[in-house]
Amino acid sequence: GAGVSQSPSNKVTEKGKDVELRCDPISGHTALYWYRQSLGQGLEFLIYFQGNSAPDKSGLPSDRFSAERTGGSVSTLTIQRTQQEDSAVYLCASSLLAGGGQFFGPGTRLTVL
Amino acid sequence: DQQVKQNSPSLSVQEGRISILNCDYTNSMFDYFLWYKKYPAEGPTFLISISSIKDKNEDGRFTVFLNKSAKHLSLHIVPSQPGDSAVYFCAASEGGNKLVFGAGTILRVKS
Repeated sequence: GAGVSQSPSNKVTEKGKDVELRCDPISGHTALYWYRQSLGQGLEFLIYFQGNSAPDKSGLPSDRFSAERTGGSVSTLTIQRTQQEDSAVYLCASSLLAGGGQFFGPGTRLTVL
Repeated sequence: DQQVKQNSPSLSVQEGRISILNCDYTNSMFDYFLWYKKYPAEGPTFLISISSIKDKNEDGRFTVFLNKSAKHLSLHIVPSQPGDSAVYFCAASEGGNKLVFGAGTILRVKS
């Protein structure tokens, strides 16, 4: 596809369960970012991948959050033992180069009951 | 501590008039500023950006102004159109990687 895609679009889970969120960046984009938007808040940076460099994980809120990017393309954000405060829209973005304009996907709305 | 603040949660403007959205920041190391527009159930869409070496950037109906001494930037939309109604996010970064976003301003353009 032409843009960043994310799946699922919506995810409802029970507290304590693990979830995986997927991001397919724009083909050829070397940088990939994860953000989340909680209700009434701006977007909050989580993690950033650039090529083969070690990811910048400085925004991950706890060790329950992890992400990987396989083959320099698809990325998966994993949240273990979900909590109600994890409920948010999780957004993925990609850019052609580090520091370039970021193109966002539609997001995954996560609801933890 | 919010490094990027959008103090107006909403703004209502008549079609054809100017919309002015404001944003303040606290980190003097920010060197790249962007505005994004977001419709419900969609990801943010890039609108316009400005580097800290400039004080103005214009693209069609959209102009961004940067006042570094005041740590303030604004987005002007003129003339405003009903299709401009959306949430507008201001964002800033050091070197263009991790973006720090404001909480957004809901713009409503009335026809």
